[in-house]
Amino acid sequence: QKEVEQDPGPLSVPEGAIVSLNCTYSNSAFQYFMWYRQYSRKGPELLMYTYSSGNKEDGRFTAQVDKSSKYISLFIRDSQPSDSATYLCAMKDNQGGKLIFGQGTELSVKP
Amino acid sequence: ETGVTQTPRHLVMGMTNKKSLKCEQHLGHNAMYWYKQSAKKPLELMFVYNFKEQTENNSVPSRFSPECPNSSHLFLHLHTLQPEDSALYLCASSLHGGEPKEQYFGPGTRLTVT
Repeated sequence: QKEVEQDPGPLSVPEGAIVSLNCTYSNSAFQYFMWYRQYSRKGPELLMYTYSSGNKEDGRFTAQVDKSSKYISLFIRDSQPSDSATYLCAMKDNQGGKLIFGQGTELSVKP
Repeated sequence: ETGVTQTPRHLVMGMTNKKSLKCEQHLGHNAMYWYKQSAKKPLELMFVYNFKEQTENNSVPSRFSPECPNSSHLFLHLHTLQPEDSALYLCASSLHGGEPKEQYFGPGTRLTVT
């Protein structure tokens, strides 16, 4: 079983739609949860960061962590064509361990 | 270019060649990382350097040889590669090793081994 599971997509939605991206994980020691966005021909850039459980909102983006279910989500409201990218979830324990990434979900927002 | 830069952006090499990838960070960070990104696979951490000292080698084959002469520069020396080594190689940096979130990535080097 992979430590982090993420549906690779591709996911195609119309402009203005609400997008839900998800990851599940198996390691209950994970405490730090991140979402990276990677545009084509670019490196990943940190989009959202959450510690432990709960929600975090930043503009059109909301990150949710449900540690009891070992499930994290990223919601994008009013999606735009400029949101078209691959979204990577990543997580880490608090013992100095390495970042563990999901395989990424490719998102396409159509005008 | 600011942040983390990588050269070359594209590289095609034969299995008997020797080449090097270069990474430079302009952020004043002390930790640098090499990752391998293959299609439809998660990023794989290869090496970690913290204050120029290698702190992690994630069971990487010896045909990949890292070098970190100072906190701003990181190299990945390549020799006798295999076609399955074709991938996007990403360099990242963070203020300190073990930093939980703030890793900044370069644009990557797209490597093709023929």
